[in-house]
Amino acid sequence: AQRVTQPEKLLSVFKGAPVELKCNYSYSGSPELFWYVQYSRQRLQLLLRHISRESIKGFTADLNKGETSFHLKKPFAQEEDSAMYYCALTLPFYGNNRLAFGKGNQVVVIP
Amino acid sequence: GAVVSQHPSWVICKSGTSVKIECRSLDFQATTMFWYRQFPKQSLMLMATSNEGSKATYEQGVEKDKFLINHASLTLSTLTVTSAHPEDSSFYICSARPGQFREKLFFGSGTQLSVL
Repeated sequence: AQRVTQPEKLLSVFKGAPVELKCNYSYSGSPELFWYVQYSRQRLQLLLRHISRESIKGFTADLNKGETSFHLKKPFAQEEDSAMYYCALTLPFYGNNRLAFGKGNQVVVIP
Repeated sequence: GAVVSQHPSWVICKSGTSVKIECRSLDFQATTMFWYRQFPKQSLMLMATSNEGSKATYEQGVEKDKFLINHASLTLSTLTVTSAHPEDSSFYICSARPGQFREKLFFGSGTQLSVL
C-alpha cells in the first residue's frame, strides 16, 4: 500500500527564513503528489500539486522520483504561512481520487 | 471557488446514540465525496468513498454498519455514526470533487465528535 511520510511534526522558523517540509512516499509506480494546507480555524485546502509545476503563495515542490520525495519549500517564510501542512498521494487512473495523507507538519513562523 | 459545507462542526453525544454528519457541495455537483477521520496527532485516514446513487466503498477496517454513508443526491452525502462509543470520538472531514476537475478536491471544515 502507498504510504506518505512527513518526518517533522513541528517546524518553527523565523519570518524571512527559508522553510522546507519534507515528504517521502513509498510507491513503486508514478503517483500524483499534493500538498494541502489548513490555516487556523479554516478548512483543509489544496496548496499545490506536482503535475501543475506551479508556485502558490511562494511555495514550490518538486517531485523527485529517484528519492521518492516531494518536499515543500519556500525561500522566505511569512507569518501568514503558519498552518498545518499535509502531503498527500493518489494513484493515477484510480478513478475516484482516494488520497493517502501524511501525518502533517505544524509550521509556526516567528515574527 | 467551490465550497463544501459540513455540519455540524462540533457535536457531543451520549454513548449508544447515533450522530449524523452532513456534507454538502454548495455550488457544484459532486458525484463522489470522501469521508476521512483524524485522530489527535495522526494523519487523515480515508474511511469511505461515497458515490451518488450507489453504495459507498469502505476502506479496509472500517465497519459499514457502524458508519453509514448515504449519498442520495449530487450535493449531499451524510455519515451516520451509529451506536456511538467513546472510541468513535474523532475529527471527521468530508471532501468532494467537481466532476470536471479530476484532481482537485474541496474539503469541508470538519466535525469534531465527542462521545461521552
